[in-house]
Amino acid sequence: AQTVTQSQPEMSVQEAETVTLSCTYDTSESDYYLFWYKQPPSRQMILVIRQEAYKQQNATENRFSVNFQKAAKSFSLKISDSQLGDAAMYFCAVYNFNKFYFGSGTKLNVKP
Amino acid sequence: EPEVTQTPSHQVTQMGQEVILRCVPISNHLYFYWYRQILGQKVEFLVSFYNNEISEKSEIFDDQFSVERPDGSNFTLKIRSTKLEDSAMYFCASSDRSNEKLFFGSGTQLSVL
Repeated sequence: AQTVTQSQPEMSVQEAETVTLSCTYDTSESDYYLFWYKQPPSRQMILVIRQEAYKQQNATENRFSVNFQKAAKSFSLKISDSQLGDAAMYFCAVYNFNKFYFGSGTKLNVKP
Repeated sequence: EPEVTQTPSHQVTQMGQEVILRCVPISNHLYFYWYRQILGQKVEFLVSFYNNEISEKSEIFDDQFSVERPDGSNFTLKIRSTKLEDSAMYFCASSDRSNEKLFFGSGTQLSVL
Protein backbone atom coordinates (compact mmCIF):
# COMPACT_ATOMS: atom_id res chain seq x y z
CA ALA A 1 0.00 0.00 0.00
CA GLN A 2 1.07 3.54 -0.62
CA THR A 3 1.53 5.79 2.38
CA VAL A 4 2.06 9.52 2.47
CA THR A 5 3.35 11.18 5.62
CA GLN A 6 3.20 14.83 6.49
CA SER A 7 4.97 15.12 9.82
CA GLN A 8 4.06 18.75 10.50
CA PRO A 9 0.40 19.05 11.55
CA GLU A 10 0.69 22.85 11.76
CA MET A 11 3.19 25.53 10.81
CA SER A 12 3.39 29.29 10.97
CA VAL A 13 5.23 31.78 8.80
CA GLN A 14 5.56 35.53 8.80
CA GLU A 15 4.15 37.32 5.79
CA ALA A 16 6.82 37.74 3.05
CA GLU A 17 8.98 35.01 4.58
CA THR A 18 9.69 31.53 3.20
CA VAL A 19 8.31 28.29 4.60
CA THR A 20 8.91 24.65 3.70
CA LEU A 21 6.32 21.92 4.21
CA SER A 22 7.63 18.39 4.34
CA CYS A 23 6.23 15.21 2.82
CA THR A 24 7.59 11.69 2.62
CA TYR A 25 5.99 8.76 0.90
CA ASP A 26 6.38 5.08 0.46
CA THR A 27 5.95 3.37 -2.88
CA SER A 28 7.55 0.43 -4.63
CA GLU A 29 6.74 1.87 -8.03
CA SER A 30 9.26 3.73 -10.19
CA ASP A 31 6.72 5.67 -12.22
CA TYR A 32 4.36 7.89 -10.28
CA TYR A 33 3.31 11.48 -9.84
CA LEU A 34 3.43 13.80 -6.86
CA PHE A 35 1.16 16.70 -6.07
CA TRP A 36 0.60 19.40 -3.53
CA TYR A 37 -2.98 20.52 -3.03
CA LYS A 38 -4.18 23.52 -1.06
CA GLN A 39 -7.44 23.46 0.87
CA PRO A 40 -8.58 26.90 2.10
CA PRO A 41 -11.35 27.27 4.71
CA SER A 42 -13.90 26.84 1.91
CA ARG A 43 -12.59 23.22 1.83
CA GLN A 44 -12.18 23.30 -1.94
CA MET A 45 -9.15 21.37 -3.22
CA ILE A 46 -6.83 23.47 -5.37
CA LEU A 47 -3.80 22.11 -7.20
CA VAL A 48 -0.62 23.96 -6.23
CA ILE A 49 2.11 22.04 -8.04
CA ARG A 50 2.79 18.72 -9.77
CA GLN A 51 5.97 16.66 -10.23
CA GLU A 52 6.58 13.62 -12.41
CA ALA A 53 8.80 11.10 -10.63
CA TYR A 54 10.85 10.43 -13.77
CA LYS A 55 11.91 14.08 -13.99
CA GLN A 56 14.93 15.10 -11.98
CA GLN A 57 14.26 18.80 -12.32
CA ASN A 58 12.22 20.23 -9.47
CA ALA A 59 8.88 21.72 -10.45
CA THR A 60 8.33 25.44 -9.94
CA GLU A 61 5.12 27.42 -10.10
CA ASN A 62 5.62 31.12 -9.34
CA ARG A 63 6.25 31.39 -5.58
CA PHE A 64 5.86 27.63 -5.09
CA SER A 65 8.64 25.14 -5.68
CA VAL A 66 9.40 21.60 -4.64
CA ASN A 67 12.47 19.76 -3.47
CA PHE A 68 12.02 16.26 -4.88
CA GLN A 69 14.44 13.66 -3.58
CA LYS A 70 13.44 10.41 -5.25
CA ALA A 71 15.90 8.14 -3.46
CA ALA A 72 14.80 9.50 -0.11
CA LYS A 73 11.12 9.51 -1.19
CA SER A 74 10.81 13.08 -0.08
CA PHE A 75 8.74 15.81 -1.70
CA SER A 76 8.78 19.10 0.18
CA LEU A 77 6.96 22.29 -0.81
CA LYS A 78 8.64 25.67 -0.49
CA ILE A 79 6.51 28.79 -0.44
CA SER A 80 8.47 31.99 -0.99
CA ASP A 81 7.27 35.49 -0.13
CA SER A 82 4.34 34.07 1.85
CA GLN A 83 1.06 35.91 1.52
CA LEU A 84 -1.99 36.00 3.78
CA GLY A 85 -3.93 34.15 1.10
CA ASP A 86 -1.55 31.21 1.41
CA ALA A 87 -3.06 30.32 4.77
CA ALA A 88 -4.73 26.93 4.28
CA MET A 89 -4.36 23.20 4.74
CA TYR A 90 -1.80 21.73 2.39
CA PHE A 91 -2.02 18.11 1.29
CA CYS A 92 0.73 16.12 -0.33
CA ALA A 93 -0.44 13.35 -2.67
CA VAL A 94 1.05 10.47 -4.64
CA TYR A 95 -0.65 9.15 -7.76
CA ASN A 96 -0.29 5.77 -9.41
CA PHE A 97 -2.51 2.89 -10.46
CA ASN A 98 -5.37 5.28 -11.06
CA LYS A 99 -5.53 6.32 -7.41
CA PHE A 100 -4.39 9.28 -5.38
CA TYR A 101 -3.06 8.79 -1.87
CA PHE A 102 -3.13 11.84 0.37
CA GLY A 103 -1.18 12.78 3.46
CA SER A 104 -2.93 13.98 6.59
CA GLY A 105 -2.24 17.61 5.80
CA THR A 106 -0.30 20.54 7.24
CA LYS A 107 -2.15 23.60 8.42
CA LEU A 108 -0.25 26.74 7.40
CA ASN A 109 -0.82 29.96 9.32
CA VAL A 110 0.47 33.21 7.85
CA LYS A 111 1.12 36.02 10.32
CA PRO A 112 0.80 39.62 9.14
CA GLU B 1 -11.39 28.05 -16.71
CA PRO B 2 -13.54 24.90 -16.80
CA GLU B 3 -14.51 23.49 -13.44
CA VAL B 4 -16.06 20.47 -11.80
CA THR B 5 -19.48 21.24 -10.38
CA GLN B 6 -21.02 19.46 -7.41
CA THR B 7 -24.56 19.67 -6.09
CA PRO B 8 -25.85 20.13 -3.50
CA SER B 9 -23.21 21.97 -1.47
CA HIS B 10 -24.82 20.71 1.73
CA GLN B 11 -27.00 17.66 2.30
CA VAL B 12 -28.63 16.70 5.57
CA THR B 13 -30.23 13.28 5.87
CA GLN B 14 -31.53 10.87 8.44
CA MET B 15 -29.63 7.68 9.19
CA GLY B 16 -30.83 4.86 6.95
CA GLN B 17 -31.93 7.14 4.14
CA GLU B 18 -30.56 7.04 0.63
CA VAL B 19 -28.63 10.02 -0.74
CA ILE B 20 -27.39 10.84 -4.20
CA LEU B 21 -24.51 13.25 -4.62
CA ARG B 22 -24.19 14.78 -8.03
CA CYS B 23 -21.20 15.93 -10.01
CA VAL B 24 -20.68 17.38 -13.46
CA PRO B 25 -17.07 16.72 -14.47
CA ILE B 26 -15.21 18.86 -16.97
CA SER B 27 -16.69 18.04 -20.36
CA ASN B 28 -13.72 16.48 -22.17
CA HIS B 29 -12.47 14.54 -19.15
CA LEU B 30 -12.56 10.75 -19.17
CA TYR B 31 -11.50 9.77 -15.64
CA PHE B 32 -13.74 10.42 -12.69
CA TYR B 33 -13.21 10.03 -8.97
CA TRP B 34 -14.96 10.32 -5.65
CA TYR B 35 -13.08 11.18 -2.47
CA ARG B 36 -14.26 11.98 1.00
CA GLN B 37 -12.86 13.88 3.93
CA ILE B 38 -14.16 13.40 7.44
CA LEU B 39 -13.74 16.66 9.34
CA GLY B 40 -10.17 17.04 10.57
CA GLN B 41 -8.94 13.94 8.77
CA LYS B 42 -7.17 13.19 5.52
CA VAL B 43 -8.75 13.02 2.10
CA GLU B 44 -9.64 9.39 1.37
CA PHE B 45 -10.03 7.75 -2.02
CA LEU B 46 -13.38 6.06 -2.63
CA VAL B 47 -13.61 5.08 -6.28
CA SER B 48 -12.33 5.78 -9.77
CA PHE B 49 -14.41 5.42 -12.93
CA TYR B 50 -13.37 5.14 -16.54
CA ASN B 51 -15.08 3.99 -19.72
CA ASN B 52 -18.38 3.56 -17.90
CA GLU B 53 -17.09 1.22 -15.28
CA ILE B 54 -15.33 1.25 -11.94
CA SER B 55 -11.57 0.91 -12.38
CA GLU B 56 -10.50 1.06 -8.72
CA LYS B 57 -12.29 1.19 -5.39
CA SER B 58 -11.19 1.36 -1.78
CA GLU B 59 -12.23 -0.70 1.22
CA ILE B 60 -14.55 2.15 2.20
CA PHE B 61 -16.53 1.70 -1.01
CA ASP B 62 -18.68 -1.21 0.12
CA ASP B 63 -22.04 -2.45 -1.13
CA GLN B 64 -23.76 0.62 0.29
CA PHE B 65 -22.04 2.78 -2.31
CA SER B 66 -22.56 2.92 -6.04
CA VAL B 67 -21.57 5.25 -8.85
CA GLU B 68 -23.23 5.97 -12.13
CA ARG B 69 -22.82 8.13 -15.19
CA PRO B 70 -26.47 8.25 -16.17
CA ASP B 71 -26.46 10.65 -19.10
CA GLY B 72 -22.92 11.29 -20.33
CA SER B 73 -22.46 14.47 -18.32
CA ASN B 74 -23.41 13.73 -14.71
CA PHE B 75 -21.44 11.46 -12.39
CA THR B 76 -23.30 10.41 -9.27
CA LEU B 77 -22.44 8.78 -5.97
CA LYS B 78 -25.28 6.97 -4.22
CA ILE B 79 -25.24 5.85 -0.62
CA ARG B 80 -28.11 3.42 -0.14
CA SER B 81 -28.55 3.44 3.62
CA THR B 82 -26.56 6.20 5.26
CA LYS B 83 -24.77 5.72 8.56
CA LEU B 84 -23.62 8.34 11.03
CA GLU B 85 -20.02 7.70 10.04
CA ASP B 86 -20.81 8.61 6.43
CA SER B 87 -20.91 12.26 7.53
CA ALA B 88 -18.08 13.91 5.59
CA MET B 89 -17.22 16.25 2.76
CA TYR B 90 -17.47 14.35 -0.51
CA PHE B 91 -15.31 15.53 -3.38
CA CYS B 92 -15.77 14.69 -7.01
CA ALA B 93 -12.75 15.02 -9.29
CA SER B 94 -11.96 14.46 -12.95
CA SER B 95 -8.96 14.36 -15.26
CA ASP B 96 -8.53 14.10 -19.00
CA ARG B 97 -5.83 11.42 -18.93
CA SER B 98 -4.62 8.87 -16.49
CA ASN B 99 -1.85 10.23 -14.25
CA GLU B 100 -2.83 13.79 -15.01
CA LYS B 101 -3.74 16.34 -12.39
CA LEU B 102 -7.12 16.11 -10.80
CA PHE B 103 -9.58 18.93 -10.93
CA PHE B 104 -11.71 18.85 -7.81
CA GLY B 105 -15.22 20.10 -7.31
CA SER B 106 -15.98 22.29 -4.30
CA GLY B 107 -17.48 19.34 -2.43
CA THR B 108 -20.78 18.28 -0.89
CA GLN B 109 -20.95 18.36 2.89
CA LEU B 110 -23.05 15.37 3.95
CA SER B 111 -24.46 15.35 7.45
CA VAL B 112 -26.16 12.17 8.65
CA LEU B 113 -28.33 12.65 11.74
